[in-house]
Amino acid sequence: GAGVSQSPRYKVAKRGQDVALRCDPISGHVSLFWYQQALGQGPEFLTYFQNEAQLDKSGLPSDRFFAERPEGSVSTLKIQRTQQEDSAVYLCASSLGWGQTNYGYTFGSGTRLTVV
Amino acid sequence: AQSVTQLGSHVSVSEGALVLLRCNYSSSVPPYLFWYVQYPNQGLQLLLKYTTGATLVKGINGFEAEFKKSETSFHLTKPSAQMSDAAEYFCAVSKNTGNQFYFGTGTSLTVIP
Repeated sequence: GAGVSQSPRYKVAKRGQDVALRCDPISGHVSLFWYQQALGQGPEFLTYFQNEAQLDKSGLPSDRFFAERPEGSVSTLKIQRTQQEDSAVYLCASSLGWGQTNYGYTFGSGTRLTVV
Repeated sequence: AQSVTQLGSHVSVSEGALVLLRCNYSSSVPPYLFWYVQYPNQGLQLLLKYTTGATLVKGINGFEAEFKKSETSFHLTKPSAQMSDAAEYFCAVSKNTGNQFYFGTGTSLTVIP
């Protein structure tokens, strides 16, 4: 596609519920990133894939968060047993390069998760 | 470690006036520096970046920024604000070998007609 597509755009979850957020990167983009943007804050790095390999997951806040990209294209960020502090916008980005920040990233519009 | 401080969470300027958004960074290695803009309900869009070379960097929509190593700053400017510039602006730093950005908390720019 022309850009990075994320779905759903909005998600309301009850505390304790599991959620799955989807990211469709630009076709052919090797690298894929997830960021978390809390209200009034800048985005914070969660994890990074190069094709299907998850090369860096140092930003995942707890073992309730995990991400996958099994075929090197679409990625899913899953949050188990959601808590109120998980409420944020989750941004996905993809890059044609091998992950270097100077190569050019395209960000999606994000999924706004609200945990009630 | 890398970090960014953006002074002023909200900035208001009159249409046609100078825009100045401040960014100071901390980095243990030579940094790459970026400015991104975020319009409501949209993703982050790159305005400009500094990697190496000329310290005055020009970007899209008439914006520019100057890397000042001695001041650890990378302030964003535009000579004449337009209504369409109203948005959230994020400064970011990364290692020159890195694959992740460290973003500031953002500055919301309001343009007054």
